[in-house]
Amino acid sequence: NAGVTQTPKFQVLKTGQSMTLQCAQDMNHEYMSWYRQDPGMGLRLIHYSVGAGITDQGEVPNGYNVSRSTTEDFPLRLLSAAPSQTSVYFCASSYSAGTYNEQFFGPGTRLTVL
Amino acid sequence: KNEVEQSPQNLTAQEGEFITINCSYSVGISALHWLQQHPGGGIVSLFMLSSGKKKHGRLIATINIQEKHSSLHITASHPRDSAVYICAVGFGGNQFYFGTGTSLTVIP
Repeated sequence: NAGVTQTPKFQVLKTGQSMTLQCAQDMNHEYMSWYRQDPGMGLRLIHYSVGAGITDQGEVPNGYNVSRSTTEDFPLRLLSAAPSQTSVYFCASSYSAGTYNEQFFGPGTRLTVL
Repeated sequence: KNEVEQSPQNLTAQEGEFITINCSYSVGISALHWLQQHPGGGIVSLFMLSSGKKKHGRLIATINIQEKHSSLHITASHPRDSAVYICAVGFGGNQFYFGTGTSLTVIP
């Protein structure tokens, strides 16, 4: 089992560019989520999905889009990158929705927007 | 408002010391998790608590629902315990709210 994988590990963008952060899991988990981690702040939820075809906004969704066409994949799209989106992004998955379930995290993507 | 507070922010200990990290939250919760973030950045789940106490090796986690408080204890600390420890709280629904983390350094 690879668990939760994320690509790329590092990325530098210019303001206004778009890109997709990839996330995949091979544990047949229903729940997947994207977080950003900024210095001095806790992890904050961007978007989440409770199953294929179902997504919802988290605490900080502006500037990001998601889709969930398969159980395995949950890409995060930055439509027009801004310096405020410089952060470390983590994808996570758990067996099902609800906060009783253990979350499994990907290794993270460090994004810099110039 | 769903708030999660951790203390201390930073902690330095000598190898072998008993360590306590605290997490307080503002309203009733459905579940509380303790996470460990390694120096390389990876995050792993240590415990899920909804009541009482759990133990895994040298790690012990407790929660007091009435006082809205949880503690993570490390007995006989070791340099390999050096990491950031994060409290994550579910207030119902599908979302977690996270503390800012406690950075622990254990000196040999």
